[in-house]
Amino acid sequence: AQSVTQLGSHVSVSEGALVLLRCNYSSSVPPYLFWYVQYPNQGLQLLLKYTSAATLVKGINGFEAEFKKSETSFHLTKPSAHMSDAAEYFCAVIQTGANNLFFGTGTRLTVIP
Amino acid sequence: DAGVIQSPRHEVTEMGQEVTLRCKPISGHNSLFWYRQTMMRGLELLIYFNNNVPIDDSGMPEDRFSAKMPNASFSTLKIQPSEPRDSAVYFCASSLALLSRNSYNEQFFGPGTRLTVL
Repeated sequence: AQSVTQLGSHVSVSEGALVLLRCNYSSSVPPYLFWYVQYPNQGLQLLLKYTSAATLVKGINGFEAEFKKSETSFHLTKPSAHMSDAAEYFCAVIQTGANNLFFGTGTRLTVIP
Repeated sequence: DAGVIQSPRHEVTEMGQEVTLRCKPISGHNSLFWYRQTMMRGLELLIYFNNNVPIDDSGMPEDRFSAKMPNASFSTLKIQPSEPRDSAVYFCASSLALLSRNSYNEQFFGPGTRLTVL
């Protein structure tokens, strides 16, 4: 079975500081991995995805994530946090051949001015 | 494109009442998904359809929940009778159907329906 684990339900960073949100996956086959962002009272928006091409994936809003098979990780980073990055972030994995997503528990990012 | 449209955005009802949530997928998409988001369980898939046919409903909590997709542009999720523990945000998402087992198509999410059952 495929699943993802997000470490840290809340992360606080200062404006301008590095953002690091952690995600580890559990999969018996190479997975498709995703990061979604949810702003307050809104739906989910795709930030970036890994689909077995380049291991370093660049997404929207300056975010990127690196697929590390040896660590079974897909951590999300951004060099410099902006106030508008405050949101909840979800890591997700696809069930191969079925197209339905399994989500992590989410990490709420707070950006301190 | 208007994106995935869900209605209502907010619903408050009393225990025992029937609740119907509606979703209009993006035109041309032939896969549709219903998710539920709660504090306790996070985001979980309830059911998904391919070409209007339910493919996997193993996430539907119990018989009180039912979902239909009578045509390619409309789906409903019904709860009858509703209970306070059904209070959650319900998301609908749509995508193009898979071309192969090793492919993926992005899911586009609607804004959600916030359901409160008193």
